[in-house]
Amino acid sequence: GQQLNQSPQSMFIQEGEDVSMNCTSSSIFNTWLWYKQDPGEGPVLLIALYKAGELTSNGRLTAQFGITRKDSFLNISASIPSDVGIYFCAGLMTTDSWGKLQFGAGTQVVVTP
Amino acid sequence: KAGVTQTPRYLIKTRGQQVTLSCSPISGHRSVSWYQQTPGQGLQFLFEYFSETQRNKGNFPGRFSGRQFSNSRSEMNVSTLELGDSALYLCASSGQGASGYTFGSGTRLTVV
Repeated sequence: GQQLNQSPQSMFIQEGEDVSMNCTSSSIFNTWLWYKQDPGEGPVLLIALYKAGELTSNGRLTAQFGITRKDSFLNISASIPSDVGIYFCAGLMTTDSWGKLQFGAGTQVVVTP
Repeated sequence: KAGVTQTPRYLIKTRGQQVTLSCSPISGHRSVSWYQQTPGQGLQFLFEYFSETQRNKGNFPGRFSGRQFSNSRSEMNVSTLELGDSALYLCASSGQGASGYTFGSGTRLTVV
């Protein structure tokens, strides 16, 4: 179940605006993952972070692995309608056992023209 | 390379029946995990299999079971279905180390 605090729960933004969301945990993680899920589909991996302080971009997406290893941030720049969906963060202590991956509750993003 | 394949995509069952869902991981991935996703509870971990052995288990009743075959394909079974078992069931596979964790499209199970 969700043991990560992900915020905000939902966001209503206008096309062209930037979006920021974050996850915090009481546990230290070695891996942070960010996913996007469209309705009726499985989550799709957007960005994977494996080192504290790491800043990684994927197109208009940028994610950072917090230096305390207890938080991570995802930014979407210049949002477009297809950015609509639910974004999940996930954290893991070790890649030796992916079954211990912990998920945030998700951030619902709605983009209006 | 092919992604994670889940079959069937949609399923309707009646209460009391049992159901088997299938997951074929990405070639070379040996770890397969299963999740139940509902609007109220989010992503709930069911179990993880690695090399045909259950490595981790979530907090679900014994009606939920799974197995993994030698080719890493996995199945999960739910017996004596209840209305509350209606959900999107997702599986995810992973290789060793930092190779990410990839989900399938899921099986939408509706229990009536």
